[in-house]
Formats: sequence, structure tokens, C-alpha cells
Amino acid sequence: AQKITQTQPGMFVQEKEAVTLDCTYDTSDQSYGLFWYKQPSSGEMIFLIYQGSYDEQNATEGRYSLNFQKARKSANLVISASQLGDSAMYFCAMREPYSGAGSYQLTFGKGTKLSVIP
Amino acid sequence: DTGVSQDPRHKITKRGQNVTFRCDPISEHNRLYWYRQTLGQGPEFLTYFQNEAQLEKSRLLSDRFSAERPKGSFSTLEIQRTEQGDSAMYLCASSHTSLNTEAFFGQGTRLTVV
Repeated sequence: AQKITQTQPGMFVQEKEAVTLDCTYDTSDQSYGLFWYKQPSSGEMIFLIYQGSYDEQNATEGRYSLNFQKARKSANLVISASQLGDSAMYFCAMREPYSGAGSYQLTFGKGTKLSVIP
Repeated sequence: DTGVSQDPRHKITKRGQNVTFRCDPISEHNRLYWYRQTLGQGPEFLTYFQNEAQLEKSRLLSDRFSAERPKGSFSTLEIQRTEQGDSAMYLCASSHTSLNTEAFFGQGTRLTVV
């Protein structure tokens, strides 16, 4: 079974500084996908970034980048130039292997609460 | 397109009552997922639809839970004889067959069973 581990329950970062949120995963599959989602207090899960297991380059989306270290099975999220609006829960997730039924369900970690300090 | 829409946003119910939640996915998305999120945890998969067909169900989906997507558009999730352990955020997500990357989530329905 897939497993996602986020070891930081909470993190603080000064506004305009960079922060790294840790994520390790466990899978025996060769083909998988890794995601980061942001969940503000409103509840909606907002997609941030995706990394495929065969992608050779680390994914980047604006201020977000994913530090993908396949051998170590880690997929850390780096947020550069933190903003007050970045304060939220952040979840790392892995896409389950294709089930044959067309589902690409996600397995989530427990999340990290990021607080940006002015 | 306004994204994935869920209704209601909040629901308080007495133990033993039935509740029904609705999800309207992004219009061209044929895949629809329901997840449950309890306090301090990440979302957990409940069930999956492709068009109107319910193709996968998690073992978390007990007999008291039923989900439908009658015309392949909106979906409903019903919980019968609610229990306090059902208190959670219920999230709906949708994606398109051609997109094997992200799913788009709604804002969720927060259920409190008293």
C-alpha cells in the first residue's frame, strides 16, 4: 500500500523568506505521481504542483518548486518569497497505481500547517 | 466555469438522521471522486465515478453510505442513520480522462453529528 509521511505538523516562516515542507513516500511501483495541495481555512484543496516519477526535471510552478529525490523517496515542496496568503495546511499526495477501472485516487499525508509571520 | 461546487457547506444533524450532500463537478469532467477528511488528517478516498458508473468504493464506505451520479453530471452522497464518527469534511473532486495529473476539489461539506 502507498504511504505518505509529512513529519512537520507545523512550520513558521518569515514573510519574503523561502520555506521547505518535507514529504517522503513509500511505494513499490515504478510509475507514480506526486502532488502538493494547499488547503486554506475555507476548506478547498487547491492544486499547487505535480511531479511524475519519470520526470527528469524538478517541477516548478511560479513560487512553488518540488525537490524530487527519487532514490531517497522524497518530494519536498519549496515555497520561495513567502506571502501572508501562503498561511494554510499543505498536503503531499501520491496517485495510486492505475486500477484498471479508470480511477486515479490519491493517498494523502497528514499535512503541515504553515504560518507566515509578517 | 466556477469550479467544483458542493452543497451545503455545513450540516449539523442529530445522530440517527439521514443526510445528503451534492457535488457539481466542472462541466466537462467525466471523473468524480468523493473523499472524507477528519480533523488532523489528510483526505481519504471514498468512491469514484466515471460518467454515471460507480467503479470503485473504499472499504471506508460502509453500508450506510450510498453515492450516485445519475446522469454523469452532479453526484450525491447520502449517509443513513448518521453516527458521531461520521463527523468530518466531505470533499468532492473531478478530473477529465485526458488529464492524468491534478484533480480539482470543491470546498467541501462539513458534517457535524450531535
